[in-house]
Amino acid sequence: DTAVSQTPKYLVTQMGNDKSIKCEQNLGHDTMYWYKQDSKKFLKIMFSYNNKELIINETVPNRFSPKSPDKAHLNLHINSLELGDSAVYFCASSHRQGDVYGYTFGSGTRLTVV
Amino acid sequence: DQQVKQNSPSLSVQEGRISILNCDYTNSMFDYFLWYKKYPAEGPTFLISISSIKDKNEDGRFTVFLNKSAKHLSLHIVPSQPGDSAVYFCAAVNSGGSNYKLTFGKGTLLTVNP
Repeated sequence: DTAVSQTPKYLVTQMGNDKSIKCEQNLGHDTMYWYKQDSKKFLKIMFSYNNKELIINETVPNRFSPKSPDKAHLNLHINSLELGDSAVYFCASSHRQGDVYGYTFGSGTRLTVV
Repeated sequence: DQQVKQNSPSLSVQEGRISILNCDYTNSMFDYFLWYKKYPAEGPTFLISISSIKDKNEDGRFTVFLNKSAKHLSLHIVPSQPGDSAVYFCAAVNSGGSNYKLTFGKGTLLTVNP
Protein backbone atom coordinates (compact mmCIF):
# COMPACT_ATOMS: atom_id res chain seq x y z
CA ASP A 1 0.00 0.00 0.00
CA THR A 2 2.01 2.90 -1.31
CA ALA A 3 0.72 6.12 0.27
CA VAL A 4 2.01 8.44 -2.45
CA SER A 5 2.71 6.74 -5.75
CA GLN A 6 4.35 8.22 -8.80
CA THR A 7 4.56 6.79 -12.29
CA PRO A 8 6.78 6.21 -14.07
CA LYS A 9 9.76 5.69 -11.77
CA TYR A 10 12.20 6.25 -14.63
CA LEU A 11 11.67 8.24 -17.80
CA VAL A 12 14.18 8.67 -20.60
CA THR A 13 13.12 10.85 -23.48
CA GLN A 14 14.47 13.02 -26.25
CA MET A 15 14.64 16.79 -26.28
CA GLY A 16 11.53 18.43 -27.60
CA ASN A 17 9.16 15.67 -26.51
CA ASP A 18 6.15 16.17 -24.25
CA LYS A 19 5.80 13.90 -21.22
CA SER A 20 3.65 13.49 -18.14
CA ILE A 21 4.34 12.22 -14.65
CA LYS A 22 1.41 11.00 -12.61
CA CYS A 23 0.96 11.18 -8.84
CA GLU A 24 -1.72 9.69 -6.65
CA GLN A 25 -2.13 9.67 -2.89
CA ASN A 26 -4.47 7.44 -0.90
CA LEU A 27 -4.02 9.23 2.43
CA GLY A 28 -7.02 11.50 2.14
CA HIS A 29 -4.73 14.52 2.18
CA ASP A 30 -5.97 17.85 0.92
CA THR A 31 -2.69 19.32 -0.30
CA MET A 32 -0.27 17.99 -2.91
CA TYR A 33 3.10 19.21 -4.11
CA TRP A 34 5.70 18.75 -6.81
CA TYR A 35 9.36 19.11 -5.87
CA LYS A 36 12.37 18.95 -8.14
CA GLN A 37 15.77 17.66 -7.08
CA ASP A 38 18.31 18.88 -9.57
CA SER A 39 21.94 17.96 -10.14
CA LYS A 40 22.98 20.18 -7.24
CA LYS A 41 20.82 18.01 -4.98
CA PHE A 42 18.53 20.79 -3.78
CA LEU A 43 14.89 19.83 -3.31
CA LYS A 44 12.93 22.80 -4.61
CA ILE A 45 9.19 23.23 -4.62
CA MET A 46 7.56 23.75 -7.97
CA PHE A 47 3.82 23.67 -7.33
CA SER A 48 1.31 23.13 -4.57
CA TYR A 49 -2.39 22.39 -4.86
CA ASN A 50 -4.92 22.51 -2.05
CA ASN A 51 -8.22 20.80 -2.84
CA LYS A 52 -7.51 21.07 -6.56
CA GLU A 53 -6.68 24.77 -6.29
CA LEU A 54 -3.21 26.04 -7.18
CA ILE A 55 -1.68 27.77 -4.16
CA ILE A 56 2.04 27.77 -4.88
CA ASN A 57 3.55 28.34 -8.30
CA GLU A 58 7.27 28.97 -8.06
CA THR A 59 9.38 30.40 -10.84
CA VAL A 60 8.99 27.46 -13.15
CA PRO A 61 8.97 27.63 -16.97
CA ASN A 62 5.45 27.57 -18.33
CA ARG A 63 6.40 24.42 -20.19
CA PHE A 64 5.56 22.76 -16.87
CA SER A 65 1.84 22.49 -16.25
CA PRO A 66 0.37 20.75 -13.23
CA LYS A 67 -3.12 19.30 -13.40
CA SER A 68 -5.21 18.18 -10.47
CA PRO A 69 -8.36 16.34 -11.58
CA ASP A 70 -9.25 15.65 -7.95
CA LYS A 71 -7.57 16.13 -4.61
CA ALA A 72 -6.03 12.65 -4.72
CA HIS A 73 -4.18 13.28 -7.98
CA LEU A 74 -1.64 15.83 -9.11
CA ASN A 75 -0.06 15.20 -12.48
CA LEU A 76 2.82 17.10 -14.03
CA HIS A 77 2.94 17.67 -17.76
CA ILE A 78 6.11 18.96 -19.38
CA ASN A 79 6.17 20.32 -22.93
CA SER A 80 9.16 20.66 -25.22
CA LEU A 81 11.56 18.92 -22.86
CA GLU A 82 15.05 20.39 -22.52
CA LEU A 83 18.31 18.86 -21.30
CA GLY A 84 18.12 20.99 -18.16
CA ASP A 85 14.85 19.36 -17.18
CA SER A 86 16.75 16.21 -16.28
CA ALA A 87 16.22 15.74 -12.54
CA VAL A 88 14.35 13.66 -10.00
CA TYR A 89 10.80 14.87 -9.48
CA PHE A 90 9.08 14.14 -6.18
CA CYS A 91 5.40 14.32 -5.50
CA ALA A 92 4.27 14.88 -1.91
CA SER A 93 1.06 15.39 0.03
CA SER A 94 0.01 16.73 3.41
CA HIS A 95 -3.18 16.61 5.43
CA ARG A 96 -3.86 20.28 5.02
CA GLN A 97 -2.18 23.44 3.97
CA GLY A 98 0.23 24.39 6.72
CA ASP A 99 0.67 20.86 8.01
CA VAL A 100 4.37 21.26 7.67
CA TYR A 101 5.41 18.12 9.48
CA GLY A 102 2.96 15.89 7.69
CA TYR A 103 4.56 15.77 4.26
CA THR A 104 4.54 12.31 2.70
CA PHE A 105 6.75 11.98 -0.35
CA GLY A 106 6.54 9.61 -3.26
CA SER A 107 9.61 7.65 -4.29
CA GLY A 108 10.45 10.00 -7.13
CA THR A 109 10.58 9.95 -10.93
CA ARG A 110 14.02 10.16 -12.48
CA LEU A 111 13.68 12.07 -15.74
CA THR A 112 16.56 11.97 -18.19
CA VAL A 113 16.38 14.11 -21.30
CA VAL A 114 18.82 13.12 -24.05
CA ASP B 1 20.08 31.86 -2.89
CA GLN B 2 20.65 29.08 -0.38
CA GLN B 3 18.42 29.89 2.54
CA VAL B 4 19.12 26.50 4.13
CA LYS B 5 22.67 25.24 4.06
CA GLN B 6 24.12 21.88 4.90
CA ASN B 7 27.81 22.44 4.40
CA SER B 8 28.92 18.85 4.93
CA PRO B 9 27.99 16.72 1.93
CA SER B 10 28.98 13.56 3.77
CA LEU B 11 29.75 12.18 7.20
CA SER B 12 31.12 8.81 8.24
CA VAL B 13 30.88 7.44 11.79
CA GLN B 14 31.36 4.16 13.56
CA GLU B 15 28.42 2.15 14.80
CA GLY B 16 27.58 3.05 18.38
CA ARG B 17 29.12 6.51 18.20
CA ILE B 18 27.31 9.82 17.91
CA SER B 19 26.44 11.32 14.53
CA ILE B 20 26.05 15.09 14.39
CA LEU B 21 24.57 16.66 11.28
CA ASN B 22 24.57 20.42 10.97
CA CYS B 23 22.32 22.91 9.25
CA ASP B 24 22.41 26.70 8.96
CA TYR B 25 19.73 29.03 7.71
CA THR B 26 19.65 32.65 6.67
CA ASN B 27 15.97 33.57 6.62
CA SER B 28 14.98 34.93 10.04
CA MET B 29 11.31 34.36 9.18
CA PHE B 30 11.77 30.60 9.41
CA ASP B 31 10.15 29.37 12.60
CA TYR B 32 9.79 25.63 12.11
CA PHE B 33 12.52 23.20 11.20
CA LEU B 34 12.44 19.59 10.12
CA TRP B 35 14.81 16.77 9.35
CA TYR B 36 14.02 14.27 6.64
CA LYS B 37 15.80 11.01 5.95
CA LYS B 38 16.15 9.59 2.46
CA TYR B 39 17.23 6.15 1.33
CA PRO B 40 18.31 5.56 -2.29
CA ALA B 41 15.41 5.26 -4.75
CA GLU B 42 12.93 6.35 -2.09
CA GLY B 43 11.33 9.64 -1.21
CA PRO B 44 12.32 11.62 1.89
CA THR B 45 10.58 10.57 5.10
CA PHE B 46 9.95 12.83 8.06
CA LEU B 47 12.25 12.21 11.01
CA ILE B 48 11.97 14.93 13.63
CA SER B 49 11.08 18.60 13.88
CA ILE B 50 11.45 21.58 16.17
CA SER B 51 9.60 24.82 16.63
CA SER B 52 11.51 28.05 17.10
CA ILE B 53 10.04 28.42 20.59
CA LYS B 54 12.12 25.44 21.69
CA ASP B 55 15.83 24.79 21.68
CA LYS B 56 15.71 21.02 21.87
CA ASN B 57 13.45 18.19 20.80
CA GLU B 58 14.16 14.55 21.46
CA ASP B 59 12.69 11.39 19.99
CA GLY B 60 14.43 8.19 20.95
CA ARG B 61 17.93 8.16 19.51
CA PHE B 62 17.32 11.41 17.64
CA THR B 63 17.68 14.88 19.13
CA VAL B 64 17.47 18.17 17.30
CA PHE B 65 19.02 21.30 18.79
CA LEU B 66 18.16 24.81 17.67
CA ASN B 67 20.29 27.91 18.25
CA LYS B 68 18.17 30.77 16.97
CA SER B 69 20.73 33.48 17.56
CA ALA B 70 23.24 31.60 15.43
CA LYS B 71 20.57 30.46 12.95
CA HIS B 72 21.90 26.96 13.38
CA LEU B 73 20.40 23.59 14.08
CA SER B 74 21.87 20.16 14.46
CA LEU B 75 20.64 16.60 14.49
CA HIS B 76 22.25 14.19 16.93
CA ILE B 77 21.90 10.46 16.50
CA VAL B 78 23.13 8.36 19.36
CA PRO B 79 23.98 5.58 19.24
CA SER B 80 24.37 5.47 15.47
CA GLN B 81 23.33 2.27 13.71
CA PRO B 82 24.16 0.98 10.21
CA GLY B 83 20.48 1.36 9.28
CA ASP B 84 20.82 5.09 9.86
CA SER B 85 22.98 5.31 6.73
CA ALA B 86 21.03 7.62 4.43
CA VAL B 87 20.89 11.18 3.17
CA TYR B 88 19.57 13.62 5.76
CA PHE B 89 17.84 16.78 4.62
CA CYS B 90 17.30 19.81 6.80
CA ALA B 91 14.20 21.84 5.94
CA ALA B 92 12.69 25.07 7.19
CA VAL B 93 9.41 26.89 6.86
CA ASN B 94 7.80 30.18 7.78
CA SER B 95 4.62 28.80 9.32
CA GLY B 96 3.05 32.26 9.40
CA GLY B 97 3.50 32.81 5.70
CA SER B 98 0.75 32.75 3.12
CA ASN B 99 1.99 29.43 1.86
CA TYR B 100 3.75 26.64 3.61
CA LYS B 101 6.52 25.54 1.37
CA LEU B 102 9.43 23.69 2.86
CA THR B 103 12.86 25.02 1.93
CA PHE B 104 15.41 22.21 1.88
CA GLY B 105 19.15 22.04 2.20
CA LYS B 106 21.27 19.91 -0.14
CA GLY B 107 21.48 17.02 2.26
CA THR B 108 24.26 15.21 4.10
CA LEU B 109 25.07 11.60 3.31
CA LEU B 110 25.59 9.74 6.58
CA THR B 111 27.43 6.44 6.49
CA VAL B 112 27.48 4.39 9.68
CA ASN B 113 30.16 1.71 9.54
CA PRO B 114 29.67 -1.57 11.42
